Amino acid sequence: KAGVTQTPRYLIKTRGQQVTLSCSPISGHRSVSWYQQTPGQGLQFLFEYFSETQRNKGNFPGRFSGRQFSNSRSEMNVSTLELGDSALYLCASSPDRGREKLFFGSGTQLSVL
Amino acid sequence: GQSLEQPSEVTAVEGAIVQINCTYQTSGFYGLSWYQQHDGGAPTFLSYNGLDGLEETGRFSSFLSRSDSYGYLLLQELQMKDSASYFCAVRDDNQGGKLIFGQGTELSVKP
Repeated sequence: KAGVTQTPRYLIKTRGQQVTLSCSPISGHRSVSWYQQTPGQGLQFLFEYFSETQRNKGNFPGRFSGRQFSNSRSEMNVSTLELGDSALYLCASSPDRGREKLFFGSGTQLSVL
Repeated sequence: GQSLEQPSEVTAVEGAIVQINCTYQTSGFYGLSWYQQHDGGAPTFLSYNGLDGLEETGRFSSFLSRSDSYGYLLLQELQMKDSASYFCAVRDDNQGGKLIFGQGTELSVKP
């Protein structure tokens, strides 16, 4: 079974641009969560999607948005990029909502210059 | 609000047993999970200890005291490859079920 796949692996953008990150969960997993990881800040929860519906949202500005498609693939978008958005963005999937065992992808390393 | 506290660093020697602590404060509690992350890698699940059961992986085990809002991860027969960051996480059922992570503990295993 293939693991969680995130694309692209690395991304360099400039301030003011927007970016879209993609996540393909493990086949059969319907829940997808997104996290932002920066040194010293640990993993900060962004959103959780289940069956195309956003079930939870973290404390991030409206510039951060996401969606989930009918095949459970998910995308997150960050508009008007700021230097502070530089981080590793991790996607995780699980079979059902509320399950504790998350399967993480290797993440997208975003650098904003 | 919710918060989790872990030591930022722990050092131990190969072959030893090490304990990584986590205290949590949440408005609702369902269970405590642990994840391992090597530099530049994906976090991987190690253990879950909660209201609906217990799951552990290999040499990793966990303890939970709900009355003290405290838990720990126990790593036995330490190996050099166990040098990594370890995160505890709680699902706050009163906050829509978000899984909240601690800041992580960096474990260094010395020969």
